Amino acid sequence: KAGVTQTPRYLIKTRGQQVTLSCSPISGHRSVSWYQQTPGQGLQFLFEYFSETQRNKGNFPGRFSGRQFSNSRSEMNVSTLELGDSALYLCASSGTGGLDKNIQYFGAGTRLSVL
Amino acid sequence: GESVGLHLPTLSVQEGDNSIINCAYSNSASDYFIWYKQESGKGPQFIIDIRSNMDKRQGQRVTVLLNKTVKHLSLQIAATQPGDSAVYFCAETPGFKTIFGAGTRLFVKA
Repeated sequence: KAGVTQTPRYLIKTRGQQVTLSCSPISGHRSVSWYQQTPGQGLQFLFEYFSETQRNKGNFPGRFSGRQFSNSRSEMNVSTLELGDSALYLCASSGTGGLDKNIQYFGAGTRLSVL
Repeated sequence: GESVGLHLPTLSVQEGDNSIINCAYSNSASDYFIWYKQESGKGPQFIIDIRSNMDKRQGQRVTVLLNKTVKHLSLQIAATQPGDSAVYFCAETPGFKTIFGAGTRLFVKA
């Protein structure tokens, strides 16, 4: 099976712009979660989608939004970018049965730099 | 609030020694506890899990211990190798959520 694919890998934007990141989960996985990781920091949970519905949400401002399509692919959008949004954005998918629903399978991430 | 934390942010060990990475958690409703390894330039990868009704589980060179009395989780790596250098995250799974700890960076000295 192909792993989780995130595009683009690198992105440079300026303050005030908006950005859309894409994530293709492992085939058959219906849950997609997004995380923000800043240098030296842990994984800050953004939101999780399951079957096109947002099931969980972290403590991020409304500038951060996401969606999931019927094929389970997901996008996240950040509007009005701020310098502090510079980070590695990780997407993870998980399955629906047994242990597989608890394990997060991560993509390599999109590194966003805001200038 | 809910949290999963780590006692040590960095750990430096000699190649061949055993490593122990610790983690404290706060949610008693978690079904599974999982350890992930994140190498430079990559996303975290699953290492080993343990169910809440167990107190020990062994994998290849790794052992996870769970102490529910004090809400403590640890990852033991035997005969640590240079390839083990990475950031290690513990995670707990209450319901449909996954809550990650802050991470510990493991340095392996040759």
